[in-house]
Amino acid sequence: GAGVSQSPRYKVAKRGQDVALRCDPISGHVSLFWYQQALGQGPEFLTYFQNEAQLDKSGLPSDRFFAERPEGSVSTLKIQRTQQEDSAVYLCASSLNRDLYEQYFGPGTRLTVT
Amino acid sequence: AQKVTQAQTEISVVEKEDVTLDCVYETRDTTYYLFWYKQPPSGELVFLIRRNSFDEQNEISGRYSWNFQKSTSSFNFTITASQVVDSAVYFCALSEAYAGNNRKLIWGLGTSLAVNP
Repeated sequence: GAGVSQSPRYKVAKRGQDVALRCDPISGHVSLFWYQQALGQGPEFLTYFQNEAQLDKSGLPSDRFFAERPEGSVSTLKIQRTQQEDSAVYLCASSLNRDLYEQYFGPGTRLTVT
Repeated sequence: AQKVTQAQTEISVVEKEDVTLDCVYETRDTTYYLFWYKQPPSGELVFLIRRNSFDEQNEISGRYSWNFQKSTSSFNFTITASQVVDSAVYFCALSEAYAGNNRKLIWGLGTSLAVNP
């Protein structure tokens, strides 16, 4: 079956531009996570959805970051007025249900802000 | 607070050597989950294993084995007879089992393993 997909795989944005990153989770997976991974670092949690409900957004670094999952499937992470420090790989993961089973990751979107 | 420490930043071995990747964790919870993920050069994180805190039995899967020791808060990962394809960054991660709305994983910084022919 299809895994988690993310698009675009690479994004170059000029400082101040808005970007939108898309995640298609595995079909039927209830839980969806966004992580940010800086070069040479482990993933850092950004936010978590259970179906369409955003239950935890404690990891979003500023109010420029916004995530949604309106129909409980596809999710979009939006970054407004991008800054150079936003440059990172943004990883999306999905999990089968509300209990913490293994998370399956997409290939990530590498964002470079120039 | 929860924390995962992977003290080995980089390891380099020659093919067919055995190698152990260390993971030490901190948590105040009595019930929690531990994970290992592999991140090859392509970048996609690949799930390897999940272990809950009540199950201290060691596990073997092919050339991979995991040693969970609650007494020392360690969850080490051994690759036997390493191969070039094992070259990747390996992450250890921790999560509370009963986290309410908080389902996030706490990650170590990763260990970069290079297996040379």
